[in-house]
Amino acid sequence: DTAVSQTPKYLVTQMGNDKSIKCEQNLGHDTMYWYKQDSKKFLKIMFSYNNKELIINETVPNRFSPKSPDKAHLNLHINSLELGDSAVYFCASSQDIAASTDTQYFGPGTRLTVL
Amino acid sequence: AQSVAQPEDQVNVAEGNPLTVKCTYSVSGNPYLFWYVQYPNRGLQFLLKYITGDNLVKGSYGFEAEFNKSQTSFHLKKPSALVSDSALYFCAVRGSYNTDKLIFGTGTRLQVFP
Repeated sequence: DTAVSQTPKYLVTQMGNDKSIKCEQNLGHDTMYWYKQDSKKFLKIMFSYNNKELIINETVPNRFSPKSPDKAHLNLHINSLELGDSAVYFCASSQDIAASTDTQYFGPGTRLTVL
Repeated sequence: AQSVAQPEDQVNVAEGNPLTVKCTYSVSGNPYLFWYVQYPNRGLQFLLKYITGDNLVKGSYGFEAEFNKSQTSFHLKKPSALVSDSALYFCAVRGSYNTDKLIFGTGTRLQVFP
């Protein structure tokens, strides 16, 4: 059984387009995250949601808008895509954001290429 | 502010030899430390974590890590490396406040040669 899944795995699009990446977890966790991994493999948190409520928003441009329809899903919508948005985006989940000891489990990633 | 450093971009080791991947951290309060591994074109897989207690933590695939509070380090180790261990390894730290984020190091590429 897949614990954290993302779709699509690859996304190639033109500058200026709007695209979405979907994430689902079947672990029963309350907290979900989006991370961005750049071309140098540097991994940085973008957002976190706890039980559908935004908890962390890391100075990400307004073009990025996360949406959590329920606590098992956290989608990432990106408007007006730019070349610099090209990266691998990882979704993750953990039991509860208030528990600093919780392990975060990561999805397989979505490689976004903006042409 | 929290931070974590992985001083080596790459570590090369011969198969069968012991390996060490270094990590040092800075955090207010108690540190919670994690190691993840990323295989090519894959997501991050959790290896092990230190929360409290025994300074030597055992994890998946025969890996272990030693927490050293005085040196603020959490080095990843394995007694005998396998070629299949070749991957990118990330150390991460989180503080004890519930608003603290998980901060990742820049990663260390481990190359195990036959």
